[in-house]
Amino acid sequence: GAVVSQHPSWVICKSGTSVKIECRSLDFQATTMFWYRQFPKQSLMLMATSNEGSKATYEQGVEKDKFLINHASLTLSTLTVTSAHPEDSSFYICSPDQGGRAGKNIQYFGAGTRLSVL
Amino acid sequence: AQTVTQSQPEMSVQEAETVTLSCTYDTSENNYYLFWYKQPPSRQMILVIRQEAYKQQNATENRFSVNFQKAAKSFSLKISDSQLGDTAMYFCAFMKAGTYKYIFGTGTRLKVLA
Repeated sequence: GAVVSQHPSWVICKSGTSVKIECRSLDFQATTMFWYRQFPKQSLMLMATSNEGSKATYEQGVEKDKFLINHASLTLSTLTVTSAHPEDSSFYICSPDQGGRAGKNIQYFGAGTRLSVL
Repeated sequence: AQTVTQSQPEMSVQEAETVTLSCTYDTSENNYYLFWYKQPPSRQMILVIRQEAYKQQNATENRFSVNFQKAAKSFSLKISDSQLGDTAMYFCAFMKAGTYKYIFGTGTRLKVLA
């Protein structure tokens, strides 16, 4: 199956610092990347959709200036949490569009990044 | 807007027994897909089973099967011969055709007891 690599798996940072999360599709090209956020004991909520070479589209209530998304290539998308605060502590999961490789309308997910802001 | 509801926050089942997880959804779309995903303690999302809305036949994958009732907007997951490795969080998800975006339910935490 398709391989999605998400790094780091866990990061602890001080309040006010920025954290970058990388998501790579290792054996396919992804023109679209979905970023989800999962608060403890809650469901996954779509944050934003990024397309290679263009600006990301953010879901309602998600601050685009806080969550910077860069999708500069077909195999790499990054999510940067800027000036992180404790309320940004969450589990972030990427899901690249695998273009039907996994079967129609099936998406694979990265293993996720646990962000803890002190 | 679409919504997905899982009314059972937690469930438990004895090993080798059968358990059914409930899911209902609301949509005005006619062309969509429904999924069950498993999230074990590792937090990696794993696809369990998928159903196309235009298909009347219920999907099955080994020990996993669904009861898809389109008119009632119901999509339950049946796990037969439960195994300890089935212990996980289970999410029901909706996807409008052509979007690749999931709308997830709140999840059901399933614990399989030895």
